[in-house]
Parts: sequence; C-alpha cells; structure tokens
Amino acid sequence: AQRVTQPEKLLSVFKGAPVELKCNYSYSGSPELFWYVQYSRQRLQLLLRHISRESIKGFTADLNKGETSFHLKKPFAQEEDSAMYYCASLGGAQKLVFGQGTRLTINP
Amino acid sequence: NAGVTQTPKFQVLKTGQSMTLQCAQDMNHEYMSWYRQDPGMGLRLIHYSVGAGITDQGEVPNGYNVSRSTTEDFPLRLLSAAPSQTSVYFCASRALGTGGTYGYTFGSGTRLTVV
Repeated sequence: AQRVTQPEKLLSVFKGAPVELKCNYSYSGSPELFWYVQYSRQRLQLLLRHISRESIKGFTADLNKGETSFHLKKPFAQEEDSAMYYCASLGGAQKLVFGQGTRLTINP
Repeated sequence: NAGVTQTPKFQVLKTGQSMTLQCAQDMNHEYMSWYRQDPGMGLRLIHYSVGAGITDQGEVPNGYNVSRSTTEDFPLRLLSAAPSQTSVYFCASRALGTGGTYGYTFGSGTRLTVV
C-alpha cells in the first residue's frame, strides 16, 4: 500500500540554523514525490517536486530510493519558513497520499 | 483563471443535517479530489475523480458522496452530518498525464463544524 511517513509532528529551530524535515515513503512502483507547504490558515502550496530537482525558497529535497526517503532541507532557516509542511506521494490510480505533516517553527 | 474555488469557507451544521460542499475549477483539469485535514493526521483522501462521470473512493469515504457530471465541478455531499466530520475540507485538481511536472492545485478550504 502507498504510504508516506513524516516522523516529526513538531520541529523547532533557531533562525539561521539548518533545517531538515524527514519524509519516508513506501510504494511498490516508482513514486512521484512532492513537498507542500501551508502557511497559517492558507491553502496548500506546492513547494518542491522531486522530478524537477529544483530549489525553492532555499529548500531542496533529494530522492533516496535506497532509503525510500525524500527529506526536505534548508541550510539557513528564516522566520518566514514557519509553516506546516507535508510530504506527498503520487502513486497508483493518480492518488496523492500525504504524510501526517510537520509543523516547523523558526525561533528568532 | 480563478484556479480551484471552494464554497462555503465556513459552515456550522447540526448533527443529522445534510449539506453540499462545492468545488469548481476552471483549468480544464481531469483529476479532482477531496481531502479532509485533521490535526495530527495530515490530509486524508475522501473521494476522487479522473474525469466526468467517473468517481472512486479514497481512504475515508464513509459518510460522504460525490458526483462528477461536468469537468469543472466536483461537489462533496454530507448525507447526515456527524461531529466526527468536523474538519477542514480541501478540494484539489490537476491535469492528467502531467506526471511529476505539476503538482495539485488546492482550493482555500471549507472549515466545517458539526455540533
């Protein structure tokens, strides 16, 4: 079964510190993986797509098929990064499955 | 383009009442889906549709009905509201066949409270 796990519900770091939000997936095929961000009481916005290998707002994510991981990283956190982050996997039948989410708080 | 539009933004229902959450998109997307967002549980898929006339169940379909008579609209019906259905509901759409090129576009959500 398609499943996405974000082991940390809450993550708090200081401004300027590195950030890593963990995501592990399980899917028998070749998944398409995404990171979504949700700022306070707003709609979900697409942050990253693994297929494009891009960097958005300083965030990057590398797909590690051996570890079935897609961790989100940023070398220097900023206060405006405080938000809810969701890892998601697009698998069979075009279903987008989300992890439980990690609430990131950047302390000044 | 308005993107994905959800109405209403807020709703309070009494237990047993029925209502329909509306979702419309103007991007000619084939794929549409409904999620509910609950603290600590992330977003869970309720129902989805790969095109007009085609719907299927997601992870938590019980208590909800959907239909897809047009490409643009994908309403979600609560037949007999229960307090367990208190949640924030998001509608999302994407174009089929784009693979990982594009993610989903989400609506702004409907915050539903059942008392």
